[in-house]
Amino acid sequence: AQKVTQAQTEISVVEKEDVTLDCVYETRDTTYYLFWYKQPPSGELVFLIRRNSFDEQNEISGRYSWNFQKSTSSFNFTITASQVVDSAVYFCALSEPYNNNDMRFGAGTRLTVKP
Amino acid sequence: GAGVSQTPSNKVTEKGKYVELRCDPISGHTALYWYRQSLGQGPEFLIYFQGTGAADDSGLPNDRFFAVRPEGSVSTLKIQRTERGDSAVYLCASSLTGSGSTDTQYFGPGTRLTVL
Repeated sequence: AQKVTQAQTEISVVEKEDVTLDCVYETRDTTYYLFWYKQPPSGELVFLIRRNSFDEQNEISGRYSWNFQKSTSSFNFTITASQVVDSAVYFCALSEPYNNNDMRFGAGTRLTVKP
Repeated sequence: GAGVSQTPSNKVTEKGKYVELRCDPISGHTALYWYRQSLGQGPEFLIYFQGTGAADDSGLPNDRFFAVRPEGSVSTLKIQRTERGDSAVYLCASSLTGSGSTDTQYFGPGTRLTVL
């Protein structure tokens, strides 16, 4: 069965620090998709990125970057020069398209960025 | 364009009562998903619709839970004989095709259900 582990329950940093959120996954499929979502205090899950299992290129989007390593089954998320508005719970998720698309989420990492 | 909307935003009910939670997906999205999020946890899959049919309901915890999507758009999650353990935020998501190769699920704001 697919599984996602986010070992860091809570992280607190000071504004402008870089921070990396870890995500480790388990799956038996060779085709799968990995996601990161942000859940601010308002509660709505905001999509950040989708990565398929055949594309191991790292991605950068502004202050956000993602490091996908199949060898270690990890899909880590780094925020550079963090800002107070980055404070939220961040979820990593995995879906296997041949398993009817149900997406399995990790337990989330609560990030607090202090001014 | 409008995102996924869910009503009500909050629902308080008494143990044993029946509740309905509504989800209005993004226009044109054929796939619709229900999740349940307990405090301090990630969302947990309940059911997935492709069009009008439930393609996967393996996440529904028991037969008190049921969902419909009669016209392939709006969906209603129905919970009978509610229990205190049903208290959670119920999230709805929709995606364009339900095909994993290009699809992304977009979430609504959720309905917070409290069973007293």
